Amino acid sequence: DGGITQSPKYLFRKEGQNVTLSCEQNLNHDAMYWYRQDPGQGLRLIYYSQIVNDFQKGDIAEGYSVSREKKESFPLTVTSAQKNPTAFYLCASSSGPRGVYTFGSGTRLTVV
Amino acid sequence: SQQGEEDPQALSIQEGENATMNCSYKTSINNLQWYRQNSGRGLVHLILIRSNEREKHSGRLRVTLDTSKKSSSLLITASRAADTASYFCATDFNQAGTALIFGKGTTLSVSS
Repeated sequence: DGGITQSPKYLFRKEGQNVTLSCEQNLNHDAMYWYRQDPGQGLRLIYYSQIVNDFQKGDIAEGYSVSREKKESFPLTVTSAQKNPTAFYLCASSSGPRGVYTFGSGTRLTVV
Repeated sequence: SQQGEEDPQALSIQEGENATMNCSYKTSINNLQWYRQNSGRGLVHLILIRSNEREKHSGRLRVTLDTSKKSSSLLITASRAADTASYFCATDFNQAGTALIFGKGTTLSVSS
């Protein structure tokens, strides 16, 4: 079955530590996205990539970094510069920016 | 930047009743989509309506779009307890026109 997989499901970060969230898709989608979800805030766009080796900042990119070396993979690194990283992170993919998005099941990141 | 805004923020109904959620947006769009999210899970696509369409149906779902008022509504008929979830509208225009922008969502609770 085609789909999009996020791992881990739960992640704990210590102060000053960088952590990487994994996102893999086997849908042959060109575009991939990272969103952050906080209670009452809806989804906010962190980064997106329309094609391999290219990505763009979204509305809240500060403190985050990404790479897109393979079509199937779009990992997100939450750096120590992100002062309030506790949130639910959602990865999505689509065949194009205006198409239907397929979402992963999310990673819940907590600072300890 | 928040493009779509759902109303109401929360809705509680009894099984068998209809549920109506509204979405307003600010700028011109090519299409508008509705997604559903069960608690702690990823989003699931429900329906896409194009700017030249006024109404669309899918099972118990009915979506309308009024581009002159920049608004859309999602009607769920004969609600079931399993419909309990958050519902988000998403529009296809961010500043670069390359990613969906989501509203804050309507939380629907259906009691049996």
